[in-house]
Amino acid sequence: DAKTTQPPSMDCAEGRAANLPCNHSTISGNEYVYWYRQIHSQGPQYIIHGLKNNETNEMASLIITEDRKSSTLILPHATLRDTAVYYCIVRADNNNDMRFGAGTRLTVKP
Amino acid sequence: GAVVSQHPSRVICKSGTSVKIECRSLDFQATTMFWYRQFPKQSLMLMATSNEGSKATYEQGVEKDKFLINHASLTLSTLTVTSAHPEDSSFYICSARGLDSNSYEQYFGPGTRLTVT
Repeated sequence: DAKTTQPPSMDCAEGRAANLPCNHSTISGNEYVYWYRQIHSQGPQYIIHGLKNNETNEMASLIITEDRKSSTLILPHATLRDTAVYYCIVRADNNNDMRFGAGTRLTVKP
Repeated sequence: GAVVSQHPSRVICKSGTSVKIECRSLDFQATTMFWYRQFPKQSLMLMATSNEGSKATYEQGVEKDKFLINHASLTLSTLTVTSAHPEDSSFYICSARGLDSNSYEQYFGPGTRLTVT
């Protein structure tokens, strides 16, 4: 059973912000929201994670709604190299499993 | 950051033969390693979880006698695809979680593309 819902694909213009949404309406109180991305024929790359506060690192920002039922990954200035499949995953911190849904295929266009 | 390597990066084998894929954590000790399989245009599917020194736990529908997993040390796990068939052709990805790393991160290898002819 899918724990997250993401749009299958999105386009973004180079240099603009890419906002990738994720719905996780059944998230439990002890579950974190993780984002990974996978560039074609490579292993997934960790981007960011959060519990309930918004988070920012050198790659992206993660905005989590107050009810925690959805979140948005923001790539502030998308480049062509950001073209990838982006996966939103919810996982309890004490749970070893990282299970992937279908993800969003982001295409950054010049 | 933590690095996970896989070897080989790609392999072609004949139907009926066995293939071993290695997964190594290069700069940290991994108590738990995970093996995923990814078919073209699909997402990653967890195959099994292995803890160092103990038997792997396989996901439902994954044949443990066909996909042999050994996690003999804190830096190495191997996946052996026995009696490979063309339908086993896939992208195999491992990941590792460290002993004392922050619990949130799971580090992924670059993947191994297996083609069975």
